[in-house]
Amino acid sequence: AQTVTQSQPEMSVQEAETVTLSCTYDTSESDYYLFWYKQPPSRQMILVIRQEAYKQQNATENRFSVNFQKAAKSFSLKISDSQLGDAAMYFCAYVGGTASKLTFGTGTRLQVTL
Amino acid sequence: GAGVSQSPSNKVTEKGKDVELRCDPISGHTALYWYRQSLGQGLEFLIYFQGNSAPDKSGLPSDRFSAERTGGSVSTLTIQRTQQEDSAVYLCASSPPRHEQFFGPGTRLTVL
Repeated sequence: AQTVTQSQPEMSVQEAETVTLSCTYDTSESDYYLFWYKQPPSRQMILVIRQEAYKQQNATENRFSVNFQKAAKSFSLKISDSQLGDAAMYFCAYVGGTASKLTFGTGTRLQVTL
Repeated sequence: GAGVSQSPSNKVTEKGKDVELRCDPISGHTALYWYRQSLGQGLEFLIYFQGNSAPDKSGLPSDRFSAERTGGSVSTLTIQRTQQEDSAVYLCASSPPRHEQFFGPGTRLTVL
């Protein structure tokens, strides 16, 4: 069975600084997708970034980028120039190529301080 | 464009009552998912609809839970004889065929 592990329950970063959130996963699939979702207090899950496993290039979306290490099954999220609005729960998620449901990690609560 | 919508936003019910939660997916999305988010359990998959195929019900926790999707669009999740452990946020998501799922704002269910 696929599992997703987020080992950092909470992280804190100062405004304008950079923070990296960790995620590891376990799968026997060769074709899969990885995602980072953000959930602010409004509880709306917002897609931050996605990565296809067959792509070697790390995905980037503005201030958000990933470090995808397929052999190590690691998928970390880097947030640059952190903003107060980045404060939220961040969930790493996996879906296998033939599957449909997302498997989520337990989340990392990110605090952004002045 | 319009995102995934869910209603009600919050629902408080008494133990033993039935509840219905509604999800309106993004127009054109063929896939629809229900997840449950509760303290201590994280985010759990409940059920998945894809087009006209039989739904994947493998995540439903008991036979008190059921869901349907009418006309390939709106979906209703029904919980019969609610129990206190059913208290959670119920999230709906829809997806085009590229796997990324777009979530609604959720329904917070509280069973007293």
